[in-house]
Amino acid sequence: DARVTQTPRHKVTEMGQEVTMRCQPILGHNTVFWYRQTMMQGLELLAYFRNRAPLDDSGMPKDRFSAEMPDATLATLKIQPSEPRDSAVYFCASGLSGGGDTQYFGPGTRLTVL
Amino acid sequence: QKEVEQNSGPLSVPEGAIASLNCTYSDRGSQSFFWYRQYSGKSPELIMFIYSNGDKEDGRFTAQLNKASQYVSLLIRDSQPSDSATYLCAVNDKGSSNTGKLIFGQGTTLQVKP
Repeated sequence: DARVTQTPRHKVTEMGQEVTMRCQPILGHNTVFWYRQTMMQGLELLAYFRNRAPLDDSGMPKDRFSAEMPDATLATLKIQPSEPRDSAVYFCASGLSGGGDTQYFGPGTRLTVL
Repeated sequence: QKEVEQNSGPLSVPEGAIASLNCTYSDRGSQSFFWYRQYSGKSPELIMFIYSNGDKEDGRFTAQLNKASQYVSLLIRDSQPSDSATYLCAVNDKGSSNTGKLIFGQGTTLQVKP
């Protein structure tokens, strides 16, 4: 059963703490997307990768957010330091370039920054 | 600024009726169109994609695409209370060199009343 996995599913932390979210894309997929979803802003694209190379991270606050793909089976999104306004659900999605642009979403990480 | 527009709703229909969800997009070069369903507290789930003008049917769902008018719609026949969710329209960003990047609308909330 191929699916995107994300850990942790829930995270509560205090302002100023570092938060790391992890994503395992579907095996064989070579594009990975990080989104943030809030009631006010909807689904926002933060960054995306193809073949582990970052293509665009213009949606991320550069001073505190960073995204990496250490290998083809792991993508990470880090926030340091975290702020209450970062509270949201963070989704990872993966796809296959040349595969019709279809993206498959993971279950998300619900982040609460106190 | 490339945009995908949806009426936020809620769209309320009685059980058994046809629900019609609409979406317009600004990028005339877009070629891939998607409908995702998102239940409250869950991640977006792909339910339909369409690439060519016309209709595409899958069970109770029909996607309709009109590239000349730049709109895509989703019809749900015999609506069920379990169809109550937010429906996200997504369109590929043709200017992103086939990276698979999608532009999402804000979503339309559908309520199917028993």
